[in-house]
Amino acid sequence: GAVVSQHPSWVICKSGTSVKIECRSLDFQATTMFWYRQFPKQSLMLMATSNEGSKATYEQGVEKDKFLINHASLTLSTLTVTSAHPEDSSFYICSAKLGTSGFTGELFFGEGSRLTVL
Amino acid sequence: GENVEQHPSTLSVQEGDSAVIKCTYSDSASNYFPWYKQELGKRPQLIIDIRSNVGEKKDQRIAVTLNKTAKHFSLHITETQPEDSAVYFCAAQELFGNEKLTFGTGTRLTIIP
Repeated sequence: GAVVSQHPSWVICKSGTSVKIECRSLDFQATTMFWYRQFPKQSLMLMATSNEGSKATYEQGVEKDKFLINHASLTLSTLTVTSAHPEDSSFYICSAKLGTSGFTGELFFGEGSRLTVL
Repeated sequence: GENVEQHPSTLSVQEGDSAVIKCTYSDSASNYFPWYKQELGKRPQLIIDIRSNVGEKKDQRIAVTLNKTAKHFSLHITETQPEDSAVYFCAAQELFGNEKLTFGTGTRLTIIP
């Protein structure tokens, strides 16, 4: 099946620094990727939809300037948490849609990135 | 927007027994309902899905039923095994529409040996 790789799998940073998380589709082109945030023992909350070559669409309540998303190629989307603070500590997961037509619905998830802000 | 509710939040069953997890959705435009299994610290894995033109789908020990009128769908796991222990999420999506996948709140399933 399709493989999505996410990096880094975990990161610890100091408050005020920025952290970049990469999401790559390894064996397929993904025109659309999705970024989710998951707090411990909670569900996955959609943060934004990332479209290759255009601006991301953010969900209500998600700060665009805080969570910068770039989808510069058909296989790579990045999420940058700017000026991170302890409340940004969470598990961030990306997912990718396979293809643009004939979409079966299945999304392929990355391994997730656990961010801890000290 | 879509709202998906999931019950129960935790479920413990004896090995070999069946487990049932139920979800309801609010948006009648949703037409695709996947179920994901997530083990601790790992990525969600699709285990089964169903489209709105089908009422039931089965894959070995796993089955999903859908009632469009009532806007609810359920996951059934029979002959449970210890490796079935995980968190299960239902989700709803409008295929070929906004395509946003809305997840339920999750069910932590524990299989008791």
